[in-house]
Amino acid sequence: GESVGLHLPTLSVQEGDNSIINCAYSNSASDYFIWYKQESGKGPQFIIDIRSNMDKRQGQRVTVLLNKTVKHLSLQIAATQPGDSAVYFCAENIVGTYKYIFGTGTRLKVLA
Amino acid sequence: KAGVTQTPRYLIKTRGQQVTLSCSPISGHRSVSWYQQTPGQGLQFLFEYFSETQRNKGNFPGRFSGRQFSNSRSEMNVSTLELGDSALYLCASSYKDSPGYEQYFGPGTRLTVT
Repeated sequence: GESVGLHLPTLSVQEGDNSIINCAYSNSASDYFIWYKQESGKGPQFIIDIRSNMDKRQGQRVTVLLNKTVKHLSLQIAATQPGDSAVYFCAENIVGTYKYIFGTGTRLKVLA
Repeated sequence: KAGVTQTPRYLIKTRGQQVTLSCSPISGHRSVSWYQQTPGQGLQFLFEYFSETQRNKGNFPGRFSGRQFSNSRSEMNVSTLELGDSALYLCASSYKDSPGYEQYFGPGTRLTVT
């Protein structure tokens, strides 16, 4: 499949453990954030989103935390499974625009 | 509901040529955005269209252009191709006409310029 990024930071976790993927966003005016998962040869897949008026949002096996003070997002994946292996991106939407800025991505490897 | 579709999936062109890529959004979605993805630069915003109007543009040269049709389908065009234009071109659609809502991506068109 296509290589999403040749020199991405990599997080390796054991199957069944929890994963935490971090992202520093760039613009204090961003008010909406999305986490995407991208598997080889595919487009990014929406996982979960959060607005700037929230600190935490939970989905199925995933939780996103937002710290506006330090402009930091994290994605927590509970009970990581082999199918979670992919590249994960955070994206920020600058308030009032239709433009999203994407982070560089983190490759998650799940070890059996 | 069918997802975002992009055609063609793969394309090989020569330097100096021009190329047109097509995107059909999810049914009912009227906002379409285009992104370029490369290993070196990651995902970069090209432009966004809604109701046939470009509302935002990224920092790309004028060789990159796009348009949207009345049925919300969108095309992007790259003229005078350069080697550095080799990338995965992604289209995303959103059902909301205001910013700050989820967007869903297609599988992309892999463009190789030789």
